[in-house]
Amino acid sequence: GQQLNQSPQSMFIQEGEDVSMNCTSSSIFNTWLWYKQDPGEGPVLLIALYKAGELTSNGRLTAQFGITRKDSFLNISASIPSDVGIYFCAAQNNAGNMLTFGGGTRLMVKP
Amino acid sequence: DGGITQSPKYLFRKEGQNVTLSCEQNLNHDAMYWYRQDPGQGLRLIYYSQIVNDFQKGDIAEGYSVSREKKESFPLTVTSAQKNPTAFYLCASSRGSGSTPGQYFGPGTRLTVT
Repeated sequence: GQQLNQSPQSMFIQEGEDVSMNCTSSSIFNTWLWYKQDPGEGPVLLIALYKAGELTSNGRLTAQFGITRKDSFLNISASIPSDVGIYFCAAQNNAGNMLTFGGGTRLMVKP
Repeated sequence: DGGITQSPKYLFRKEGQNVTLSCEQNLNHDAMYWYRQDPGQGLRLIYYSQIVNDFQKGDIAEGYSVSREKKESFPLTVTSAQKNPTAFYLCASSRGSGSTPGQYFGPGTRLTVT
């Protein structure tokens, strides 16, 4: 099936640094979602975006739904060791609840 | 506490045996999904069900089977026909089509076949 193009594939940063990752698609979507997966666990929904141009924050996380409806980014400010994990973007159209996923960004944080 | 449960967390089987992975949800969600995740990879859709007694193949359904006899339950059987069954299996659920978007995931089952 179709995949979203998520980058970077992995990041190794120092604690306290800010992080940015993004997803792009050749198709238009109506909803963008960001999930975090801890090692050996299922993904957990972090942020959902429903309108083009929307900017939403959840603590140190900020995500935006691109104005073209073909992309989204996630920023994490002042990273901490527990931010370690894989971050997935996902997108959805109105027809049903099927999600298209990005390949994931593996984040590693050095204390 | 509402949520999705998958059991067991770890499962070991010999090659050639069928094995069934359990997924139960008490969120009253209409739709349920099974994904496969390989090391360092994203999620690939195996099967999904939008309503009881109905299910559809995903991108990698070969070697797998499912049933949806109850709204709360969506078991996945990994058959001996699946060539590379060792993987991390994730179950998810969501509200029906047209409702609030987003899927909610269970904790996963790691299957090892030797």
